[in-house]
Amino acid sequence: AQSVTQLGSHVSVSEGALVLLRCNYSSSVPPYLFWYVQYPNQGLQLLLKYTTGATLVKGINGFEAEFKKSETSFHLTKPSAHMSDAAEYFCAVSGGPIGGSYIPTFGRGTSLIVHP
Amino acid sequence: EPEVTQTPSHQVTQMGQEVILRCVPISNHLYFYWYRQILGQKVEFLVSFYNNEISEKSEIFDDQFSVERPDGSNFTLKIRSTKLEDSAMYFCASSDDAGGYYGYTFGSGTRLTVV
Repeated sequence: AQSVTQLGSHVSVSEGALVLLRCNYSSSVPPYLFWYVQYPNQGLQLLLKYTTGATLVKGINGFEAEFKKSETSFHLTKPSAHMSDAAEYFCAVSGGPIGGSYIPTFGRGTSLIVHP
Repeated sequence: EPEVTQTPSHQVTQMGQEVILRCVPISNHLYFYWYRQILGQKVEFLVSFYNNEISEKSEIFDDQFSVERPDGSNFTLKIRSTKLEDSAMYFCASSDDAGGYYGYTFGSGTRLTVV
């Protein structure tokens, strides 16, 4: 079984400030982990993913996330927020290279609000 | 960039009516999925489809739901007799591998409102 918990349904930052969106997962097998972003009236777009190898992964638009197995976390960060980053962000987990369900399980989403 | 296209973007229907939500996945993808998101809640898996049959489904996907790939390009979700609690955003997704290694491509969703 796999699950994801996203802490905070809304995160509000000022433009230029650090963005930190939290994601903790539960998985009985080594997982694949994903962050998706949804802009208004659009579909979910893959931001970045962890499958195997380097635990710090870089995605589009300056975002990155670090897989920390000991903390079962996959938090998403960006050093400096931009107004265009305002969107809904979803963390997802699926079974990884040695089994488990390949169907991603999503969190509730975190709405990122960026103030000028 | 290839897209997953969903139609309509909004659908309002009366309780008890049948609805069909349509999706055109990316043309060389082989795996297709439906998810839904009730307002303020998680994105929930409904069903996956491969090789013209359902490969996995959740407990949400009961006998009221069905999926079809009628013509090799469209992928549809039918809800036979809609209930108020079926009101949600429905997302179609496709992928070219079963393991999710490359992630999924999602459509922009159909907002279904049952009144």
